[in-house]
Amino acid sequence: SQKIEQNSEALNIQEGKTATLTCNYTNYSPAYLQWYRQDPGRGPVFLLLIRENEKEKRKERLKVTFDTTLKQSLFHITASQPADSATYLCASPGNTGKLIFGQGTTLQVKP
Amino acid sequence: GAGVSQSPSNKVTEKGKDVELRCDPISGHTALYWYRQSLGQGLEFLIYFQGNSAPDKSGLPSDRFSAERTGGSVSTLTIQRTQQEDSAVYLCASSSDSLFATNEKLFFGSGTQLSVL
Repeated sequence: SQKIEQNSEALNIQEGKTATLTCNYTNYSPAYLQWYRQDPGRGPVFLLLIRENEKEKRKERLKVTFDTTLKQSLFHITASQPADSATYLCASPGNTGKLIFGQGTTLQVKP
Repeated sequence: GAGVSQSPSNKVTEKGKDVELRCDPISGHTALYWYRQSLGQGLEFLIYFQGNSAPDKSGLPSDRFSAERTGGSVSTLTIQRTQQEDSAVYLCASSSDSLFATNEKLFFGSGTQLSVL
């Protein structure tokens, strides 16, 4: 079955460093991947979309890559800040139009 | 409205009771999704509406779960004879068109925290 996997272990980094989160997909080839941010008690908020024919997408301090050979997307936050602490979710469309989510990776940026 | 609205924000119920969760999507959004999120877990897909029809209801866990959408707008998720394992946050999201067709993003509500005692 179509599956998206993210590292369920929390990622702890020091303020100012670059955070890198990984998303792997299996058993299908999504046309695009999306990344969302979720804060406690809130619904996810859309951050970035990258299509299969795009290697890289940037938005301010965020960068996303899409490697169709490795079946992987990497999500980078440069010059990280404590306010970046949240859970980050990777998602892609399934073959019936629904969006399939990974389990999310919690990022903790320490001052 | 300005965003996706869900009600109630919190619901505590007794095992065996029925509950109704409501979602009011962004005005004009044709696609509506229900997800469930258990503590510390990812989002589990439940059902997806395009207009008033549900092309994919494969994620509904059992026949105790049902959902409807009327007038292409408000949706209600009903859980009958609730069980303790139904306790979770139920999230609703909408998008302006089908994700499959147009690479649209989802706009989420803040969810309903359901606790079954």
